[in-house]
Amino acid sequence: AQSVAQPEDQVNVAEGNPLTVKCTYSVSGNPYLFWYVQYPNRGLQFLLKYITGDNLVKGSYGFEAEFNKSQTSFHLKKPSALVSDSALYFCAVSTTGGTGTASKLTFGTGTRLQVTL
Amino acid sequence: SAVISQKPSRDICQRGTSLTIQCQVDSQVTMMFWYRQQPGQSLTLIATANQGSEATYESGFVIDKFPISRPNLTFSTLTVSNMSPEDSSIYLCSVVRRNYEQYFGPGTRLTVT
Repeated sequence: AQSVAQPEDQVNVAEGNPLTVKCTYSVSGNPYLFWYVQYPNRGLQFLLKYITGDNLVKGSYGFEAEFNKSQTSFHLKKPSALVSDSALYFCAVSTTGGTGTASKLTFGTGTRLQVTL
Repeated sequence: SAVISQKPSRDICQRGTSLTIQCQVDSQVTMMFWYRQQPGQSLTLIATANQGSEATYESGFVIDKFPISRPNLTFSTLTVSNMSPEDSSIYLCSVVRRNYEQYFGPGTRLTVT
């Protein structure tokens, strides 16, 4: 079985400061990892993914994430936070990508990011 | 990305009734997924909808409660049957695009009274 843990319910950051939203995972095979963001009253938006290759992946809106196999982590980062980044962030994992049952995503419980002036 | 629409965007329904949610995608896709997001919680996969075959349900979800149709490669419906207040959730459909990226519809917010 695969699982995702987001240990922080909420992260508070001042605008302009770097932010980190933590995610750890557990899978039986190679992990395919994703970050999504959910703004109030809006759907889930894809931010970035790790499938293979460089451990540091870059995504939308200046976000990046670092895959660490030894620590089974995939933390989301941004060098300088904006108030508009305030939203709910979900980490998700699947064991393989593409079509078929391997595309089933298991989501973490979500972390609310609050960026203040 | 993908353009995915859902109807209705929200509804308030009475206990014991059923609601059918529609999901329309802008291009053909092999598989579509239905998720549920209960208030203040994460997303849980209900089922995988395959065109031309029966949907595959996850543990804890059954066809009698959540029947799914997939008549073609751009459309699917999810019915929430015999609703109870515990069914109050956001229901989302999603599709997998190139490079393993999964995209979600805007969701249907269901309140059961």
